[in-house]
Amino acid sequence: DAEITQSPRHKITETGRQVTLACHQTWNHNNMFWYRQDLGHGLRLIHYSYGVHDTNKGEVSDGYSVSRSNTEDLPLTLESAASSQTSVYFCASSGGFISSYNEQFFGPGTRLTVL
Amino acid sequence: EDQVTQSPEALRLQEGESSSLNCSYTVSGLRGLFWYRQDPGKGPEFLFTLYSAGEEKEKERLKATLTKKESFLHITAPKPEDSATYLCAVQAGDKVIFGPGTSLSVIP
Repeated sequence: DAEITQSPRHKITETGRQVTLACHQTWNHNNMFWYRQDLGHGLRLIHYSYGVHDTNKGEVSDGYSVSRSNTEDLPLTLESAASSQTSVYFCASSGGFISSYNEQFFGPGTRLTVL
Repeated sequence: EDQVTQSPEALRLQEGESSSLNCSYTVSGLRGLFWYRQDPGKGPEFLFTLYSAGEEKEKERLKATLTKKESFLHITAPKPEDSATYLCAVQAGDKVIFGPGTSLSVIP
């Protein structure tokens, strides 16, 4: 069965360190998304990609970067982790083409703690 | 400014007690409204997509409806396994905006 996976599921790091969260999907979806979820804010979009070598900034992109070298993976990098980036991170994917939106399939999430 | 709100923030129901959750939105150029269910410690799971006012979708005990300003998720005779957080999301242009969610607890 097709799926979307995230790793690690839990991560504790220190302020200033670089951290990369992995996202891998086997749906063969063009579109992939990274969100963070915090109490009181709901899901907020960090970055998204509509295809290989395409990346776009979302609502809360400062301090984060992504790159898309193949269809299956969209890693999220925190260049210099800050305590404000402590959150639960969700990766999602959807089918369709640029500017076309279908339902998103979400991964299980990564809980990141920055000390 | 584009915005999505949900009410109530939390809802506690007795098993079998029907109710509705509300999702209100102010966006320009609505392209679709989505409902998701999220269980604790898991990612959201897709439930419904609604595209135009007057549209309705049903799945088991859930029915979603859409007007020009809001959407309702009706839960008929809920069971404890319906306990979860229900999220709505709106697509406006290229943007997808999620609401904060309604936490539903169904007590046996």
